Amino acid sequence: QSALTQPASVSGSPGQSITISCTGTSSDVGIYNLVSWYQQHPGKAPKVMIYEVRKRPSGVSNRFSGSKSGNTASLTISGLQAEDEADYYCCSYAGSSTWVFGTGTKVTVL
Amino acid sequence: QVQLVESGGGVVQPGGSLRLSCAASGFTFSSYGMQWVRQAPGKGLEWVAFIRPDGSNTYYADSVKGRFTISRDSSKNTLYLQMNSLRAEDTAVYYCAKNMGSGSYAFDYWGQGTLVTVSS
Repeated sequence: QSALTQPASVSGSPGQSITISCTGTSSDVGIYNLVSWYQQHPGKAPKVMIYEVRKRPSGVSNRFSGSKSGNTASLTISGLQAEDEADYYCCSYAGSSTWVFGTGTKVTVL
Repeated sequence: QVQLVESGGGVVQPGGSLRLSCAASGFTFSSYGMQWVRQAPGKGLEWVAFIRPDGSNTYYADSVKGRFTISRDSSKNTLYLQMNSLRAEDTAVYYCAKNMGSGSYAFDYWGQGTLVTVSS
């Protein structure tokens, strides 16, 4: 149950696109299309932005998109906005009804 | 609307026990799997435990296995986390979260969290 690996920080200017990677193993990200992404603003509870690799819950902006290749999942935020500044966590199902989160990425809008 | 409200956090000495509660409303509690996720101060999210909709099976992270027990009372629409043999490294904000749906592996609603501090 080792945490998935994410970059500590990613930054971009308003309007730009950024991508956050999430690297796991063949026991979690690589074998299950069950990666979700969560946005967390300071002092707030996490909010699901993407589930099952690329699906967006109702109400989430289509500026957020997800993908996966091998053991690495990615979250792309296009048209970066000030309100997107937050921490982002990936999460993968890891089998046997267990889950593993990523190390987290702080997104800064310059 | 869906609401999850945690309670029961506080300061406890190492080796002590604490029981967290999560009161659920706005959805059919007995139809959804439920989770506990924690976040140490300034750190990332860590999955802690999962319980099936009918409470028949429970699952734990290795870091808490044998010390924590997740349970639910559908008559009270409440999720619990009994924490025993607490350690300093268990200090965290504990969130309860609801699975998105049957067969879903993502969490669509979260509580506001309750802080547990393990310190002498």
